[in-house]
Amino acid sequence: DAKTTQPPSMDCAEGRAANLPCNHSTISGNEYVYWYRQIHSQGPQYIIHGLKNNETNEMASLIITEDRKSSTLILPHATLRDTAVYYCIVRVGGDYKLSFGAGTTVTVRA
Amino acid sequence: DAGVIQSPRHEVTEMGQEVTLRCKPISGHNSLFWYRQTMMRGLELLIYFNNNVPIDDSGMPEDRFSAKMPNASFSTLKIQPSEPRDSAVYFCASSLDRGRNEQYFGPGTRLTVT
Repeated sequence: DAKTTQPPSMDCAEGRAANLPCNHSTISGNEYVYWYRQIHSQGPQYIIHGLKNNETNEMASLIITEDRKSSTLILPHATLRDTAVYYCIVRVGGDYKLSFGAGTTVTVRA
Repeated sequence: DAGVIQSPRHEVTEMGQEVTLRCKPISGHNSLFWYRQTMMRGLELLIYFNNNVPIDDSGMPEDRFSAKMPNASFSTLKIQPSEPRDSAVYFCASSLDRGRNEQYFGPGTRLTVT
């Protein structure tokens, strides 16, 4: 019973913005959207999270639609080191559980 | 900060042997998680500790698996006896505030049981 839907893979040119979509049409009012990524042979890495408003940090921006049924993670200037599997996770506020789906395999090409 | 430290990074053992994986969480973090990752099942939560106390072990596969956290800076995951189907990458993660904040993952231990 997946809470999120992501494309299985996408390519991105180095130096360009990478826009990663995520569908979470059944999200509840108290659920946050989290993004993690996993570079090959490493542990998952937290990127960003949000509830309603758009969020930005040093790694990425998170755009959440007004109805909160979908979101987009934006890597503003993708580099080869951003090649990874990106996971979009819906998580109840205050809950410790992270349920990782299949994610999107992002390949940044020179 | 050194981040979450796990040892060993790789472990190869024979079926039936005991395996112990070790984890040192980030200093000051009060929550610790053990995960297992396989191609078939993805990333699964095995057990969650808060303030050294196991809170949720519903993901532990069976009695062959056990985890301890004797103090705030050390945890172990033990498999006895090990089986080939236990082959996976095991990750430890730590977090502040009962895991409600972001979790920081270690580099993982790749376990191969032959």
